[in-house]
Amino acid sequence: DVKVTQSSRYLVKRTGEKVFLECVQDMDHENMFWYRQDPGLGLRLIYFSYDVKMKEKGDIPEGYSVSREKKERFSLILESASTNQTSMYLCASSFRSTSSPRYEQYFGPGTRLTVT
Amino acid sequence: AQSVAQPEDQVNVAEGNPLTVKCTYSVSGNPYLFWYVQYPNRGLQFLLKYITGDNLVKGSYGFEAEFNKSQTSFHLKKPSALVSDSALYFCAVRVTDSWGKLQFGAGTQVVVTP
Repeated sequence: DVKVTQSSRYLVKRTGEKVFLECVQDMDHENMFWYRQDPGLGLRLIYFSYDVKMKEKGDIPEGYSVSREKKERFSLILESASTNQTSMYLCASSFRSTSSPRYEQYFGPGTRLTVT
Repeated sequence: AQSVAQPEDQVNVAEGNPLTVKCTYSVSGNPYLFWYVQYPNRGLQFLLKYITGDNLVKGSYGFEAEFNKSQTSFHLKKPSALVSDSALYFCAVRVTDSWGKLQFGAGTQVVVTP
């Protein structure tokens, strides 16, 4: 069974704080993703990593950065948290397969972040 | 560019009745399509996917989806809904020429009443 874990289920931070969200997967997946989920907007991709130390901006990268030093771990960093970053953050992982289209992503339980 | 649309924000159905959640897509090339379900305060769970082959795809928890190329649709179905099927459902399409990114729809809330 694929397991994707996230460091916190609920987090409350103050405006201006630096926030770290961590994600770990145990399936040796090459790809890892960070999304934020807001009502009515679905899932929006923040950043994507297709290999260690490799990253690609998603649709809404502003105000965020990421780090992937090891294959199994992908961190999302809010450099200076703001109230408009209050949201549900979801991490996912998948194979980077070009021969067999195993594109399905596997998700962690999510971190509900509140910035006050 | 690719996109998915879920035209209904919410679907209400009585327990035991058939359930359909609609999804239409726009993509260049062959579509790779997915359905996910999200229970309250949980992450998304993979239900099923269409890559190629039979137009009717069977997935987890008794769900199936029908791929219709001419109508560019990929509707999720369940013959007899359960109260426990109440959840948020997302349709997704693979982003062309990516390493595996998916484009998600906005989601459809399913409410099954006893």
